[in-house]
Amino acid sequence: DQQVKQNSPSLSVQEGRISILNCDYTNSMFDYFLWYKKYPAEGPTFLISISSIKDKNEDGRFTVFLNKSAKHLSLHIVPSQPGDSAVYFCAASPNAGNMLTFGGGTRLMVKP
Amino acid sequence: DSGVTQTPKHLITATGQRVTLRCSPRSGDLSVYWYQQSLDQGLQFLIQYYNGEERAKGNILERFSAQQFPDLHSELNLSSLELGDSALYFCASSVQTGDPSGTQYFGPGTRLTVL
Repeated sequence: DQQVKQNSPSLSVQEGRISILNCDYTNSMFDYFLWYKKYPAEGPTFLISISSIKDKNEDGRFTVFLNKSAKHLSLHIVPSQPGDSAVYFCAASPNAGNMLTFGGGTRLMVKP
Repeated sequence: DSGVTQTPKHLITATGQRVTLRCSPRSGDLSVYWYQQSLDQGLQFLIQYYNGEERAKGNILERFSAQQFPDLHSELNLSSLELGDSALYFCASSVQTGDPSGTQYFGPGTRLTVL
């Protein structure tokens, strides 16, 4: 039973445009949500997080939106850059310091 | 660079063998987590240690064990290896207290190949 799902295995966008990556979850106990970026042969790199008491968190070009009623979160990257090309994972946790449950990842390709 | 180090980077071994993967957390982090990434399973949580004590267990096989030492580094021991154990093994660390987001920072991983 996949508790965190990323339904789009891949996404291709043009440089300068917006990239929107989506994530759905089923476990209502999840309270913290994080996005990680992963390049081949490297570990996941933390990007941005949001707790369930917020519906938006912004950090530079990255914004995460959380819709608790729909159990849906999304990551917006504006403007997209070729260096953003990587696999993006969303992850969820019931409490700070708990194990993370990861989605399957979305491969983002930003074309120059 | 996340500050989490893992050794070795690559490991090739045969079925039935035993290996040890090592992880050093970021300075000041008390919690260490181990995750496995295989082709068909994605990133799966294995086990968590906090300040030397086991805190949580995930889908960790009985053939696998881990420990966290007084200097806070951790080792993941994999024994009676099978072909299906071939995967990337990641270690992550977090502060556990004082960081309400519970952000985990990942090491570069160890790629295990079982032949």
